[in-house]
Amino acid sequence: DAGITQSPRHKVTETGTPVTLRCHQTENHRYMYWYRQDPGHGLRLIHYSYGVKDTDKGEVSDGYSVSRSKTEDFLLTLESATSSQTSVYFCAISEPYGGFTDTQYFGPGTRLTVL
Amino acid sequence: GENVEQHPSTLSVQEGDSAVIKCTYSDSASNYFPWYKQELGKGPQLIIDIRSNVGEKKDQRIAVTLNKTAKHFSLHITETQPEDSAVYFCAASRNPRSSYKLIFGSGTRLLVRP
Repeated sequence: DAGITQSPRHKVTETGTPVTLRCHQTENHRYMYWYRQDPGHGLRLIHYSYGVKDTDKGEVSDGYSVSRSKTEDFLLTLESATSSQTSVYFCAISEPYGGFTDTQYFGPGTRLTVL
Repeated sequence: GENVEQHPSTLSVQEGDSAVIKCTYSDSASNYFPWYKQELGKGPQLIIDIRSNVGEKKDQRIAVTLNKTAKHFSLHITETQPEDSAVYFCAASRNPRSSYKLIFGSGTRLLVRP
């Protein structure tokens, strides 16, 4: 998985609790992305980062926040989890500059269940 | 906004036959079209991609074709094998203006029957 780890891999939580998912990369890639995957919807972008402390919203950002204080780590936070946020979350990385391509490489995913 | 439609949602073929998955996109400025394969319990993995200045690209048993006029692109898998069974996703983006964000289709579950 191109030097990408996600933690935790599985989590069960209750409605209203805060949850933080972590993506860690060892590739020194500039861009990092958070997606959610739900049946019938493919993968939808939540937030992305184009550098340390530089983040922006994707198509389904409501209820989520992100932070990136180091190149290697991108955190996704659900401030108050809801059942509609039950999903599989994937992190991806890319480095479109310096002779690299804009290919995105995906991590193994985190399965989150909100009861 | 940008939209990518993918068909069929499920596809069952006999081992050795060919499989074709089709996608259409709405943003005529899209210029990068990757295809991902996702096996059960794993993250998507890139299998092939094509850029808007190319009409076709092949890699062994896999090929992708792009028709910019009709705004559609297709994945072709020849001589299918049981290990090709997986979910396949197409995607599109317009780089670099969109910050390399990918818009994904809804996926095709391919089953190759031995």
